[in-house]
Amino acid sequence: AAGVIQSPRHLIKEKRETATLKCYPIPRHDTVYWYQQGPGQDPQFLISFYEKMQSDKGSIPDRFSAQQFSDYHSELNMSSLELGDSALYFCASSVSQASETQYFGPGTRLLVL
Amino acid sequence: AQKITQTQPGMFVQEKEAVTLDCTYDTSDQSYGLFWYKQPSSGEMIFLIYQGSYDEQNATEGRYSLNFQKARKSANLVISASQLGDSAMYFCAMRETKGGKLIFGQGTELSVKP
Repeated sequence: AAGVIQSPRHLIKEKRETATLKCYPIPRHDTVYWYQQGPGQDPQFLISFYEKMQSDKGSIPDRFSAQQFSDYHSELNMSSLELGDSALYFCASSVSQASETQYFGPGTRLLVL
Repeated sequence: AQKITQTQPGMFVQEKEAVTLDCTYDTSDQSYGLFWYKQPSSGEMIFLIYQGSYDEQNATEGRYSLNFQKARKSANLVISASQLGDSAMYFCAMRETKGGKLIFGQGTELSVKP
């Protein structure tokens, strides 16, 4: 069965650089969630999209922005990277906002030096 | 505000034995969903099991079962016949009714001994 695809899987950036993380949801899933998991932490919700519109926003820094495109893939853009942005970034998708289950992608490991 | 609490930072279990991972939750919603995810050392987040607040039966998925006690606000994960491959971090999570985002507990690291 098709799963959520995230790219890149690993990313190394310098402070103050920018990064773009991509997420391709499971086919026919119209809802995408982004989570950030710091080392030794539980995942924290960043932002979500339903039918290409932002549906909810969590503790996402103003330096980050995201969008969902017409093909339902989503991109998380991160600017002015800081050391504290080093984390595992997950994208999850579900059939709808009301769906029970979110399926997670493999994550993108971002290291900011 | 919704909250998930996992009070066991680490657990050990002997291979082939059963183990229970604790999870308690707090919510004022009448309708909610509870999840367990497994995160191996490789980092991916694997969905294990789901329990809806109105489900009368405890959820089961193979060797995983969810001991749902609504009055006590607990949703413990039971893994039967533990295998070495079960060694991982386990997260309990609740889906927020509005918007659907997941709120996670702190996680429990399970180690299965041969």
